[in-house]
Amino acid sequence: GNSVTQMEGPVTLSEEAFLTINCTYTATGYPSLFWYVQYPGEGLQLLLKATKADDKGSNKGFEATYRKETTSFHLEKGSVQVSDSAVYFCALTGYGGSQGNLIFGKGTKLSVKP
Amino acid sequence: DTEVTQTPKHLVMGMTNKKSLKCEQHMGHRAMYWYKQKAKKPPELMFVYSYEKLSINESVPSRFSPECPNSSLLNLHLHALQPEDSALYLCASSQDTGHMTQYFGPGTRLLVL
Repeated sequence: GNSVTQMEGPVTLSEEAFLTINCTYTATGYPSLFWYVQYPGEGLQLLLKATKADDKGSNKGFEATYRKETTSFHLEKGSVQVSDSAVYFCALTGYGGSQGNLIFGKGTKLSVKP
Repeated sequence: DTEVTQTPKHLVMGMTNKKSLKCEQHMGHRAMYWYKQKAKKPPELMFVYSYEKLSINESVPSRFSPECPNSSLLNLHLHALQPEDSALYLCASSQDTGHMTQYFGPGTRLLVL
């Protein structure tokens, strides 16, 4: 079945450090891939998405590239800020019986220190 | 505009109470979803409505009863809940089911005493 694996957290960085959160997936066909962010006490916000191989999603300085050959969608940011502290979820939408379902990774908590 | 609204923001209820959660979107989306999220976990899908009809029920206990009165509104009726039902309840919508981007509301934080 479809699944998403993302790196365990928490991840603690200093302000202006480079961020990578790894995400790999297992899916049949060509899923769409997403990164959602959840700030403390809030709902999920769509951060970026990619719908086909080699697509790059980007938003607010974050980027992720849909790599079909490595089944990955790693999230990167060149210089994190304290305001980026949140939980990040990698997710995909799949085919068949799970159509419409978002399959989430377990989430990675990011803490950015001043 | 990609806004999904949810009310109330917080809810405290006893195990014998009946309450309802409300969700609204005005993006013309035809698919709407309820998720449950426990602390430090990803959201878990509960229900999917497609064109105002229930299309997926992920074996949710009958004390949770969804309703879709029209294409913009989604309710979740709660009755005889248990303390373990305390969680963040998230509503989402998408243009349609399938490979469509889901947009989430801010959630209702529910505490069952």
